[in-house]
Amino acid sequence: QQQVKQSPQSLIVQKGGISIINCAYENTAFDYFPWYQQFPGKGPALLIAIRPDVSEKKEGRFTISFNKSAKQFSLHIMDSQPGDSATYFCAASTSNDYKLSFGAGTTVTVRA
Amino acid sequence: DAGITQSPRHKVTETGTPVTLRCHQTENHRYMYWYRQDPGHGLRLIHYSYGVKDTDKGEVSDGYSVSRSKTEDFLLTLESATSSQTSVYFCAIRPSGITYEQYFGPGTRLTVT
Repeated sequence: QQQVKQSPQSLIVQKGGISIINCAYENTAFDYFPWYQQFPGKGPALLIAIRPDVSEKKEGRFTISFNKSAKQFSLHIMDSQPGDSATYFCAASTSNDYKLSFGAGTTVTVRA
Repeated sequence: DAGITQSPRHKVTETGTPVTLRCHQTENHRYMYWYRQDPGHGLRLIHYSYGVKDTDKGEVSDGYSVSRSKTEDFLLTLESATSSQTSVYFCAIRPSGITYEQYFGPGTRLTVT
């Protein structure tokens, strides 16, 4: 049973558009929420992460929004570029064991 | 890839044979992890290690064993490979201290025929 549910499975966006990926969790002990970016044939790379004491974190064109009461968090990719075409994974862990639980992934395709 | 190498990078093996995958790190990190990646499942934790000879099970540990006799090496063994273990295997490290970040290696693609 997946502890983190991710949607959509895939999305297509035009260059310059906004990509939005959503994740939901049930375990209220989760207190660290990273996003990973993965290109074909490569390992996942840490993109951005948030702790539940803030509702939003921005790094360049990437923003995480966090809603603790709804147990949801999302990744926004602003001004999407063809180089952003990749698979994105959300994840969550606790400070008890630091083990990551991953969502199933979202394949983002940015059309030029 | 955070100083992590995995070997082999690709392997094809037959059902019933033992297989060992190696993860090697150069930065003396205490925590190491093995994940498998399958379509529709994301990455799932197989085993992890919190020090030399200290290991524990993850959510999908059946059919897998691990060993860590040196800080730099974390081995994953499939005692008798099955077709359901066809997957891409990733090793990860977590730097010591109060930090959550995990960094992944390049992966090993294993096919069991």
